[in-house]
Amino acid sequence: DAGITQSPRHKVTETGTPVTLRCHQTENHRYMYWYRQDPGHGLRLIHYSYGVKDTDKGEVSDGYSVSRSKTEDFLLTLESATSSQTSVYFCAISQSGSTDTQYFGPGTRLTVL
Amino acid sequence: AQSVTQLGSHVSVSEGALVLLRCNYSSSVPPYLFWYVQYPNQGLQLLLKYTSAATLVKGINGFEAEFKKSETSFHLTKPSAHMSDAAEYFCAVSEAPSNTGKLIFGQGTTLQVKP
Repeated sequence: DAGITQSPRHKVTETGTPVTLRCHQTENHRYMYWYRQDPGHGLRLIHYSYGVKDTDKGEVSDGYSVSRSKTEDFLLTLESATSSQTSVYFCAISQSGSTDTQYFGPGTRLTVL
Repeated sequence: AQSVTQLGSHVSVSEGALVLLRCNYSSSVPPYLFWYVQYPNQGLQLLLKYTSAATLVKGINGFEAEFKKSETSFHLTKPSAHMSDAAEYFCAVSEAPSNTGKLIFGQGTTLQVKP
């Protein structure tokens, strides 16, 4: 299995609070992705990174920001959490984008009350 | 814009029966296509992918999929279902020749296997 960890694995927070989710990889892969999974929607891309300090938006980026200061870490921040951001968040990595397989982390279940 | 449609959010088959999970895509450029599987409380795992080589793609656990450009389809099949195949399956598309690897996923199909 690809070395990908996500922390925390579960989190309950209140509306309006900031939340940061961490994705850590030990594979030295260049590309990292954040997705959210919601019933009936499959997975939707939030943001992705193609290198240290290089990030871009996905299809559902509103209300989220990301940072990548090291190859191994990709942080997802909800500046002011809302109930609509209750979801399961997955991090994925791939070596060189394109057709490379994306390897997924175990997910973080976030509940915003 | 690209999109993926998976026909049927739930599919139920008997153990030993044929598995057929349907996926249709929309893309203005030649696509790359993927099938992923998700077991309960886990992340996604790649089953197989089409990257413009052979149109019939074989994957892990006995699954295969055929790329049909005329039908814009990439259906997933397995001749004989096993209890361990019960999971959620996702079809995804990525634009070629983009190098970002961004994926657009379908809504998912939950496969139930009855004994």
